[in-house]
Amino acid sequence: DAKTTQPNSMESNEEEPVHLPCNHSTISGTDYIHWYRQLPSQGPEYVIHGLTSNVNNRMASLAIAEDRKSSTLILHRATLRDAAVYYCIPLVNFGNEKLTFGTGTRLTIIP
Amino acid sequence: DAGITQSPRHKVTETGTPVTLRCHQTENHRYMYWYRQDPGHGLRLIHYSYGVKDTDKGEVSDGYSVSRSKTEDFLLTLESATSSQTSVYFCAISGRTSGGNEQFFGPGTRLTVL
Repeated sequence: DAKTTQPNSMESNEEEPVHLPCNHSTISGTDYIHWYRQLPSQGPEYVIHGLTSNVNNRMASLAIAEDRKSSTLILHRATLRDAAVYYCIPLVNFGNEKLTFGTGTRLTIIP
Repeated sequence: DAGITQSPRHKVTETGTPVTLRCHQTENHRYMYWYRQDPGHGLRLIHYSYGVKDTDKGEVSDGYSVSRSKTEDFLLTLESATSSQTSVYFCAISGRTSGGNEQFFGPGTRLTVL
């Protein structure tokens, strides 16, 4: 399984953009890059995923480096509700979709 | 929200007693998973199922067993609970088989083994 490296914690001001980095230098060519987040006292929730191209959805954008060794989750305008632990997870393209969670990045939003 | 529930939501039990946690889904998804989460750690996979009566072990399966006799239910059993199994347990489901698949998580069960 590909290894990931994320900062342990980050802070951002409310209503500012947030860029959450992830290094996954051992990722294979067919692994998708998934991001999940976990709000306090809740189960994780899916945020976004991508393979090679940058991706956008209603929650966030995902920027993937051309060599795919890193990616950045972008929250365009952080709110207090975005305070959570964010997990970057490479996911094997075939089989049973097992997620391997690291320790993630704890994002604190400052009002 | 995906239709996934867990029961019980909280349980306190004593060492050596059997415990069964239930995960129930209404989405007819093929894959179901059990994770545990301990303070300061990410989630760790215990067991998963890829169909009725088809299950396999995750990274921390010792001391746990699972069963899936129906698509909608995935049971996690601690045959003889130990204090090291005090944790928050999350069930998850997923449907599609491509790498772009997403998992939906239940609200969790907080288990305390005294």
